[in-house]
Amino acid sequence: GNSVTQMEGPVTLSEEAFLTINCTYTATGYPSLFWYVQYPGEGLQLLLKATKADDKGSNKGFEATYRKETTSFHLEKGSVQVSDSAVYFCALSLDNYGQNFVFGPGTRLSVLP
Amino acid sequence: EAGVAQSPRYKIIEKRQSVAFWCNPISGHATLYWYQQILGQGPKLLIQFQNNGVVDDSQLPKDRFSAERLKGVDSTLKIQPAKLEDSAVYLCASSESYNEQFFGPGTRLTVL
Repeated sequence: GNSVTQMEGPVTLSEEAFLTINCTYTATGYPSLFWYVQYPGEGLQLLLKATKADDKGSNKGFEATYRKETTSFHLEKGSVQVSDSAVYFCALSLDNYGQNFVFGPGTRLSVLP
Repeated sequence: EAGVAQSPRYKIIEKRQSVAFWCNPISGHATLYWYQQILGQGPKLLIQFQNNGVVDDSQLPKDRFSAERLKGVDSTLKIQPAKLEDSAVYLCASSESYNEQFFGPGTRLTVL
């Protein structure tokens, strides 16, 4: 079946530290990959996405590269801020109509001043 | 543009009672999703509509959950009767055909 695995949290960093949140996937087809972010008390927001191998998605200083050979889509940011504290979800979709959309369990990030 | 609207934002009921949630997607979005998010977990898809037809309801507990999307716009998700394990946040999302989903704020359900 299709699934997404993320590193367990919580992840606690100091402001300006480097962030990596690992994400690997298993899929029967050739998925599109996403990172969503959920700030406290809010719904999920799309952070970035990549639709084919070697694509790099980027937004708000976050980046992730679609690595087909390692079935990974790790999220990185060079210098985190307190405002980045949130839960981050890796997800995949197997077709252009969003069917078979599967989320990972989420990784909670806390950034300390 | 207006986002996905959901109501109510919070609901507390006793087990065996019924509850309904409402979702209004972004205008023009043909695809609508309902997810269940249990505390500490990722969202789990319950049902997906394309216009007013069901595309996927394989994970919907059909003995107690039902959903409809009349006229291909608004949608209602109902639980009848509720169980303690239904306590969760129910998220509605909508999308056009490019697989980017836009989420509403969710409804937090507590079943006592």
